[in-house]
This record gives sequence, structure tokens and C-alpha cells, in this order.
Amino acid sequence: KAGVTQTPRYLIKTRGQQVTLSCSPISGHRSVSWYQQTPGQGLQFLFEYFSETQRNKGNFPGRFSGRQFSNSRSEMNVSTLELGDSALYLCPVATNEKLFFGSGTQLSVL
Amino acid sequence: DAKTTQPPSMDCAEGRAANLPCNHSTISGNEYVYWYRQIHSQGPQYIIHGLKNNETNEMASLIITEDRKSSTLILPHATLRDTAVYYCIVRPDYKLSFGAGTTVTVRA
Repeated sequence: KAGVTQTPRYLIKTRGQQVTLSCSPISGHRSVSWYQQTPGQGLQFLFEYFSETQRNKGNFPGRFSGRQFSNSRSEMNVSTLELGDSALYLCPVATNEKLFFGSGTQLSVL
Repeated sequence: DAKTTQPPSMDCAEGRAANLPCNHSTISGNEYVYWYRQIHSQGPQYIIHGLKNNETNEMASLIITEDRKSSTLILPHATLRDTAVYYCIVRPDYKLSFGAGTTVTVRA
């Protein structure tokens, strides 16, 4: 069963625009991470949030930002989109033992 | 700095067992090993996970070596729908460690 809901499922934007992606873990899961997956680079870590605080950050430019709300829902924002931002964005949620993935958001930048 | 290594590709005949190896030699004692698969650009699909003991579910079996430095995912009777990229994942800290995955192609 899905432990993570990501919206939207697909998104098409043009260069220079900005985009906001949403990730909702099931209730009680306070840790949310964001990853970018591209065919050439594989899975790249963006950042991790826990209880509304960014705990860890990957090596992405400042155009990539995120936040987490008190209900554990997280958003990721990408400003000034570039063609290379086209990717599948995933937000896995982890507990001590379990690991949950949503369907991801497939972003296409034209 | 991937902490899992997998062969890049594997072919399997339909109906035969597919054995997918993964090396995770730096795994620590309390880290689980997870196996997921991904088809096209969909989100990863859960297959199985384990800590120390071998595990089996309706999809697959997971064999973990005694030293826990490697594991093998076994798809007992591969079907064409099992064609996918298979990822072995460990979680050494806040970051998930994915390798490049194994592209499994099941042939009729």
C-alpha cells in the first residue's frame, strides 16, 4: 500500500518557469527526503526534512528548495527551470524498518 | 559514493529463476537491505526487505549472506512482466544508497 502520495504525477513546464511539487507521507512519518532521478545520473539526493526542519542537503543549486509542514507534508520548489531539471522526482519516507515510495512526479522542461 | 554494487544487466528466460546479486560490503549491523524494481518512469515498486535472515514473500526470495556483505534476490519463475530495473538499497544514514541497478530482461 502506498505510504507516500506525490502530486502532480506529471508536469510540463518551460525553461525559466518555476514549479512546486508536493509529497504527503502517511500519518506519523516525520522524515521525508527528496531525490532526483535521471537516466544519466541515477538517483541524486536533494534534501531531507524531519519535523519541519531541513536536516541534510545534497549538492544541488539554490534554485532547488523545500519545506515541510506541521502535518509532515513536504513541498519542493524549483525556480528558473532548466532543461536538465527534467527528471522523475521521488520522496521516499523511511522508518526504522520500512521504506515507502510514491509514484513520483515526472517533470518535463521544454 | 554508492554503497551497493550490482551487475548492470541480466537476461532471463521466461519461466526460469532469476538470481540478482548485490554487494553491500560496508553495511552495518542494523541496516536493512531493500529490493525495489522500477518500470519505465514509474515510482519504485517494493519487492522484499530483510535484515539478517532469509526472507520470502509472494514475489521473491531474499538470501542474505551470514556476514551480510551481499545478498541475492531470487525471482522464482520470471515472467515477461518482471522486465524492469532492480535496485538493491541500503540506508547507512539519512541517505538511501542506491546503486545503478540491474536491468533485467525476461525473454520468451
